[in-house]
Amino acid sequence: QKEVEQDPGPLSVPEGAIVSLNCTYSNSAFQYFMWYRQYSRKGPELLMYTYSSGNKEDGRFTAQVDKSSKYISLFIRDSQPSDSATYLCAMSERGGYQKVTFGTGTKLQVIP
Amino acid sequence: GAVVSQHPSWVICKSGTSVKIECRSLDFQATTMFWYRQFPKQSLMLMATSNEGSKATYEQGVEKDKFLINHASLTLSTLTVTSAHPEDSSFYICSARAGAQETQYFGPGTRLLVL
Repeated sequence: QKEVEQDPGPLSVPEGAIVSLNCTYSNSAFQYFMWYRQYSRKGPELLMYTYSSGNKEDGRFTAQVDKSSKYISLFIRDSQPSDSATYLCAMSERGGYQKVTFGTGTKLQVIP
Repeated sequence: GAVVSQHPSWVICKSGTSVKIECRSLDFQATTMFWYRQFPKQSLMLMATSNEGSKATYEQGVEKDKFLINHASLTLSTLTVTSAHPEDSSFYICSARAGAQETQYFGPGTRLLVL
């Protein structure tokens, strides 16, 4: 079993839809949770960063963490064609020099 | 936001030659830099972690003699793929983190094609 599981998609939605992206994990020691967006042939770009359980909102993006269920989500409201990319979840145990474990990414396509 | 650059953005080389990839943090000091490899439709695979001024720590299965990492300053790390072979063709991405902060900032990646 992988430490982090993420549905690879692809996920196709019409413009304006609400998108829900999810990851599950098995390591209960993970405390820091991140979402990255990666356009084709580019490096990942940090979208959201959260610590422990709870919600965090930034513009059209909302990140949710449920540590009891070992489940994290990223919601995108009013999706735009420019949101079409691969979304990677990532997590780590604690600060300092702990390595980050990435999901395999979900490819999202927003259709105009 | 923090900016990380990589050079070159793409490189084609002959089998058996060595290729050096540079990773620079442009507006912050990176005490830790990471090197990843990404194959098509797969996630990032951590190759090694380097701390400024010390030897890199390689992940299991990554040959340290083949992938030489140097982190000589707080703004520069280099990855040298020695005696490259076609199976080394991949997308190499670096990231940098400043001190105790958790977030990594990624470079744009270097696409390597070994003929």
